[in-house]
Amino acid sequence: ILNVEQSPQSLHVQEGDSTNFTCSFPSSNFYALHWYRWETAKSPEALFVMTLNGDEKKKGRISATLNTKEGYSYLYIKGSQPEDSATYLCAFGRTGNNRKLIWGLGTSLAVNP
Amino acid sequence: DAGVIQSPRHEVTEMGQEVTLRCKPISGHNSLFWYRQTMMRGLELLIYFNNNVPIDDSGMPEDRFSAKMPNASFSTLKIQPSEPRDSAVYFCASSLDSSGVFWEQYFGPGTRLTVT
Repeated sequence: ILNVEQSPQSLHVQEGDSTNFTCSFPSSNFYALHWYRWETAKSPEALFVMTLNGDEKKKGRISATLNTKEGYSYLYIKGSQPEDSATYLCAFGRTGNNRKLIWGLGTSLAVNP
Repeated sequence: DAGVIQSPRHEVTEMGQEVTLRCKPISGHNSLFWYRQTMMRGLELLIYFNNNVPIDDSGMPEDRFSAKMPNASFSTLKIQPSEPRDSAVYFCASSLDSSGVFWEQYFGPGTRLTVT
């Protein structure tokens, strides 16, 4: 059974706080790890696609790291703002011809002004 | 580009009726995914197509659900007959699959289905 686990399930922080969440995935047959941001009443939007062990990606105040050998990725938000409030999803892609992603249930972030 | 287009945005129907959801992927994308969002399971993949061919339909709940992709610019998800437990938001997403790379998926706005 392939499982992608995300923790914590939810998080409440104050504006200006930095925060991070974890995505755990199977370390075998790894091909890619995706991070998406999903605001309430909108559609998921891609943040990062990571494929190499040790990858680090950054977009503004948001960054992510990847460890494929131990099967985890961290997403960091520096200086959280209320507009960062959303659910952050990670999804795992395996080697092979099947392009479907295995999705986690997400971390719900609420940033209080 | 207009992005992934889905219609209708909202659908309210009575139990037993046929429902058809429509999706137009981003031009040039060759993979298309149908998802269902539920409270219990989050984002659940129903089926995905690559180059208009269904590759994985293991997430399709039962025979009441069917999906087609007659050409590269159009796909449908049909539920017949619909049941109240099918009420959910259905998303369509597309991506470019090239040289074996898992590129990011672009999601449509979703169709909110309510079956009474």
